[in-house]
Amino acid sequence: SYELTQPPSVSVSPGQTASITCSGDKLGDKFACWYQQKPGQSPVLVIYQDTKRPSGIPERFSGSNSGNTATLTISGTQAMDEADYYCQAWDSTTALYVFGTGTKVTVL
Amino acid sequence: EVQLVESGGGLVQPGGSLRLSCAASGFIFSSYDMHWVRQVTGKGLEWVSAIDTAGDTYYPGSVKGRFTISRENAKNSLYLQMNSLRAGDTAVYYCATRGVEVGAGFDYWGQGTLVTVSS
Repeated sequence: SYELTQPPSVSVSPGQTASITCSGDKLGDKFACWYQQKPGQSPVLVIYQDTKRPSGIPERFSGSNSGNTATLTISGTQAMDEADYYCQAWDSTTALYVFGTGTKVTVL
Repeated sequence: EVQLVESGGGLVQPGGSLRLSCAASGFIFSSYDMHWVRQVTGKGLEWVSAIDTAGDTYYPGSVKGRFTISRENAKNSLYLQMNSLRAGDTAVYYCATRGVEVGAGFDYWGQGTLVTVSS
């Protein structure tokens, strides 16, 4: 089955840039999405189609996807960005949806 | 305003059954694929099932043959029938919509309903 792997944790200082990777076989051939989840809340879509931001998502969130790796970048990270982040893709071979293992972003 | 409200969670014994419901409002329900996603407390997200606008259904191997997703467009409702439940099915279950574009994500989520499988 298709798997997406993320680092368990990423730490970043306020105002700095956080980069979260998501690795999967030929992930660049698929579309990647990213979700933010804060404690006790439902996930929120922050990036879709690799690079697009839904309405209401701040410009500091950006995405890229190439080769075997998709990346979520948070520029000028704020304390409110501290959360768990999950990547997600659709595996066309099986027609199934897959989530990454999740990354906890800590703003120190 | 889009709203998704799950219900039907609760405590069930191993081997038992449970039916979850998701009441949708604020959008044309029949025009969107619908999904169930679950999350074990303190763990990651796991996609559980999908039903597209044509009524075709999709499941990962972990629940295939035990779970059945269905929809009732006239009632703007989504369902998940869960049979032969196991302790590993204990989780918060979310219903979610997926946008219509290729590569769209799960753009709206409910608040979730907790299912606990325990004797």
